[in-house]
Amino acid sequence: GENVEQHPSTLSVQEGDSAVIKCTYSDSASNYFPWYKQELGKGPQLIIDIRSNVGEKKDQRIAVTLNKTAKHFSLHITETQPEDSAVYFCAASLGGNNRLAFGKGNQVVVIP
Amino acid sequence: DAGVIQSPRHEVTEMGQEVTLRCKPISGHNSLFWYRQTMMRGLELLIYFNNNVPIDDSGMPEDRFSAKMPNASFSTLKIQPSEPRDSAVYFCASGWDTMNTEAFFGQGTRLTVV
Repeated sequence: GENVEQHPSTLSVQEGDSAVIKCTYSDSASNYFPWYKQELGKGPQLIIDIRSNVGEKKDQRIAVTLNKTAKHFSLHITETQPEDSAVYFCAASLGGNNRLAFGKGNQVVVIP
Repeated sequence: DAGVIQSPRHEVTEMGQEVTLRCKPISGHNSLFWYRQTMMRGLELLIYFNNNVPIDDSGMPEDRFSAKMPNASFSTLKIQPSEPRDSAVYFCASGWDTMNTEAFFGQGTRLTVV
């Protein structure tokens, strides 16, 4: 089955700096890669996703890059703000339907 | 739409008791997922329904766990009997039954079994 791993597990950045979280996956058939943000006491919420037919996608301060050959994708947050502090999960689709395999999450702390 | 609604938000129960978690998906969604979240294992998919039919329950840990979806607007996850190692946050999520679409998560139920 799909195995999704995230690095690093915890990331602290100064406000205004950039944060990068990397994920690797194992199933070459995966073709959908969403990123979810989870704030304390809430459920995960989609912030950006990318499909396998593109290598990069950007939405304001958030971008995702995908390297299918190397089986890794990354989340980039620029000009970080305190409200970006949360746990971020990457995920990869499982073949055949719309199920997802999630990584274990990254705790991002933005220091004011 | 109010989003995916789960109840209760918190549940504390004694070992051996039956626990029932409830979920109301977003209206119009035809896929429903139950996840369990723990520090050690992260987010694990327990079971996946499509059009009220269980498609994949390979993530259900034991026979003590069961899930039903009697109609498009309601699902339950039952643990009987509960054990301390079942303590976790349980999330319900819903979405459309097409490839590569967003799953919308509820607020979760924090279960503590003592």
